[in-house]
Amino acid sequence: GDSVTQMEGPVTLSEEAFLTINCTYTATGYPSLFWYVQYPGEGLQLLLKATKADDKGSNKGFEATYRKETTSFHLEKGSVQVSDSAVYFCAHPLSGNTPLVFGKGTRLSVIA
Amino acid sequence: ETGVTQSPTHLIKTRGQQVTLRCSSQSGHNTVSWYQQALGQGPQFIFQYYREEENGRGNFPPRFSGLQFPNYSSELNVNALELDDSALYLCASSLGVEIGEKLFFGSGTQLSVL
Repeated sequence: GDSVTQMEGPVTLSEEAFLTINCTYTATGYPSLFWYVQYPGEGLQLLLKATKADDKGSNKGFEATYRKETTSFHLEKGSVQVSDSAVYFCAHPLSGNTPLVFGKGTRLSVIA
Repeated sequence: ETGVTQSPTHLIKTRGQQVTLRCSSQSGHNTVSWYQQALGQGPQFIFQYYREEENGRGNFPPRFSGLQFPNYSSELNVNALELDDSALYLCASSLGVEIGEKLFFGSGTQLSVL
């Protein structure tokens, strides 16, 4: 069935370090792909999305490219900040519907 | 434009009890989805309501039920609570059910079952 696999956390980085959080998916067809972020004490927020193969989603310095060949949607940021500390979730819709299938989440801690 | 609000923020119940969680959708949104997020896990889809009708359901037993009201606010009801029901319950609203429609999440209700 549909699923999303994310790299295990937690990930701890120093400020200005490079970030990669891996995400691979299993789905019927080629669904839209999403990254959501959950800051402490808050609900999930859409960070970025890509709707078709080779699309690159970007927001707040984060990027992710939809790779059909490797069924991946890895999240990257060139220089992380302390304010990026949060839990990051990769997700895609169930076949044909809006409800999302989420990965388990990756907790990122950035230290000054 | 108001965001998605959920109440209560925290709740403690005992096994066998019943609970009702509430969600007010973002202004103008007609679709509400509910998710269960266990500790250390990603959110799991429970069900979705569109214009007061259930529009899809995840792999949850019938003791999980819901309602959507004419103003598009929603309730999640759980009967005969079990210890494994302890989780963060998230509500998300959207402007329709189309693929990729942006979901706006509330901060959740943390339910503890003792």
